[in-house]
Amino acid sequence: DAKTTQPPSMDCAEGRAANLPCNHSTISGNEYVYWYRQIHSQGPQYIIHGLKNNETNEMASLIITEDRKSSTLILPHATLRDTAVYYCIVSPFVDNYGQNFVFGPGTRLSVLP
Amino acid sequence: NAGVTQTPKFQVLKTGQSMTLQCAQDMNHEYMSWYRQDPGMGLRLIHYSVGAGITDQGEVPNGYNVSRSTTEDFPLRLLSAAPSQTSVYFCASNLGVNTEAFFGQGTRLTVV
Repeated sequence: DAKTTQPPSMDCAEGRAANLPCNHSTISGNEYVYWYRQIHSQGPQYIIHGLKNNETNEMASLIITEDRKSSTLILPHATLRDTAVYYCIVSPFVDNYGQNFVFGPGTRLSVLP
Repeated sequence: NAGVTQTPKFQVLKTGQSMTLQCAQDMNHEYMSWYRQDPGMGLRLIHYSVGAGITDQGEVPNGYNVSRSTTEDFPLRLLSAAPSQTSVYFCASNLGVNTEAFFGQGTRLTVV
């Protein structure tokens, strides 16, 4: 069963902020929200992850609602190279060593010139 | 630092043949996993390992075997290839819980 819901596709103008939503209404207390992207069928690339606080790194910002039922990935100044499929993943612990990722179909972001 | 290396990049098999997809990482990661991706879909977990000598099944394990004799290597074996196993296979590793996963560039397998 999919644990996240994302729009199948979005467009964004080059240079503008891209805001990608994700619904994870059944998330439980120990589950993190991860974002990955996949460009041209390459291996997925890690973007960012968080538990309940907003997070920012050199690639993006992650905004998680207070009830943790949804989140938004923000690419502040989208470029053509950001065109990709973006996956929002809710990931529980497997054990102390790692966790499994369930990839849904994601959102296909097209950055337009 | 090579990261996660998968070989081969492309492979064509005949139905019934067996083969091994190789995956190696040089980051000393305990956790490794194999996924497959069918056209237009997300990735699905086949098998994973939490350390040398320890493996477990993921969502779609049938038709595949794995072993983990060293920390660095996590090969995926197709026992008797079927057309339904035509897919792109990705290997991943990560350091531990709540850390980013690093993915290889994939192996594109076609079974005819």
